[in-house]
Amino acid sequence: EVQLVESGGGLVQAGGSLRLSCEVSGFTFSHYWMTWVRQAPGKGLEWVANMNQDESAKFYVGSVKGRFTISRDNAKSSLYLQMNSLTVEDTAVYYCVREGLPVGMDVWGQGTTVTVSS
Amino acid sequence: QSALTQPASVSGSPGQSITISCTGTSSDVGGYNYVSWFQQHPGKAPKLIIYEVSNRPSGVSNRFSGSKSGNTASLTISGLQAEDEADYYCFSHATSGIRVFGGGTKLTVL
Repeated sequence: EVQLVESGGGLVQAGGSLRLSCEVSGFTFSHYWMTWVRQAPGKGLEWVANMNQDESAKFYVGSVKGRFTISRDNAKSSLYLQMNSLTVEDTAVYYCVREGLPVGMDVWGQGTTVTVSS
Repeated sequence: QSALTQPASVSGSPGQSITISCTGTSSDVGGYNYVSWFQQHPGKAPKLIIYEVSNRPSGVSNRFSGSKSGNTASLTISGLQAEDEADYYCFSHATSGIRVFGGGTKLTVL
């Protein structure tokens, strides 16, 4: 069974840092682009960042560029999101998502909640 | 990169058809055939229902269909069922490797 399990969310003060992890199973992680998507409380989905299989291509939404870093460890079948200089606007559920070809974002984790307090 | 434009809400009766529009620009929807649609029920993770404008993943009902004309993509749900009541999001590739979602549409089945 294909599974993506996020962890690392929690409550942090503005200006602080968090590192999210996503451990996958049931497919060959190193073959796929991976993505982080977030959803603020009561709001819509927002694409945050993605990366290719060997970390040579990484892309970010403008609001997190320079503060967030996406990375992966193919040996551990894990995806990460290092989040620095957090603001209250970063409060959201963060989803880890597999990007297949040609289907796109076809498998989603259950999400991990990040709350940034002022 | 601005969010794609979707109607905030649509509604329909069981058995009817509805269409949700998703308007972008030539830098996203109009410039790529990588438009997807996602369904999200409350408290759940989104589910992919359409990819590459009009393709359905395995297991998705053929009541869901997608299309695109110019800078606007559309999702049509035919034969509405109570279980279709959910939020729907369009999604597109955009320039410089960026991706963008629509603002979301709440579908109410009357």
